Amino acid sequence: DAKTTQPNSMESNEEEPVHLPCNHSTISGTDYIHWYRQLPSQGPEYVIHGLTSNVNNRMASLAIAEDRKSSTLILHRATLRDAAVYYCILRVNSGGSNYKLTFGKGTLLTVNP
Amino acid sequence: DSGVTQTPKHLITATGQRVTLRCSPRSGDLSVYWYQQSLDQGLQFLIQYYNGEERAKGNILERFSAQQFPDLHSELNLSSLELGDSALYFCASSSAGTSFGEQYFGPGTRLTVT
Repeated sequence: DAKTTQPNSMESNEEEPVHLPCNHSTISGTDYIHWYRQLPSQGPEYVIHGLTSNVNNRMASLAIAEDRKSSTLILHRATLRDAAVYYCILRVNSGGSNYKLTFGKGTLLTVNP
Repeated sequence: DSGVTQTPKHLITATGQRVTLRCSPRSGDLSVYWYQQSLDQGLQFLIQYYNGEERAKGNILERFSAQQFPDLHSELNLSSLELGDSALYFCASSSAGTSFGEQYFGPGTRLTVT
């Protein structure tokens, strides 16, 4: 089964950029990479997703390696509100319109004031 | 507020019992997803429905079942409950069918099996 690997935890200072890595060495050509985050006592929240090209939105940027075996979520200026568990997720096609969702263990991001 | 509602917020029941968790998706969303989050297993995808039909299946046990009704709300039924079923159960919705695009998660139902 395709899976993702993330560091258990990372620390950052407020207003500094944060780079959250994810390895997905068994990814195949049609698998999408998604990132969600979960703030304390809340449900997960969509951050960004991509297939091959780098992606930007108002929350973050997603940098995908050329071989697609890894990706990095970039928060350009961390705020205290960004402290959360960040999940790197693969949407893996398993034939036809069926797919499986493979969650990583998540990275706990701590943001220091 | 994501616009997804889940009831009840908390549920305490005994082993062997059956419970039903309810989810109302965001207005206009046709897809509903169910997830289980426990301390040892993390966040696991259970099942997806799209406009009343089952679309994708994850690590859902045979003791668990779900359905989506014509008004698009969904129910997750858990039967013959075991201690290990204690977890947070999240529902999410999206407008997408087969693509796992942006999903909006509800606040979750915390199930405690004693």
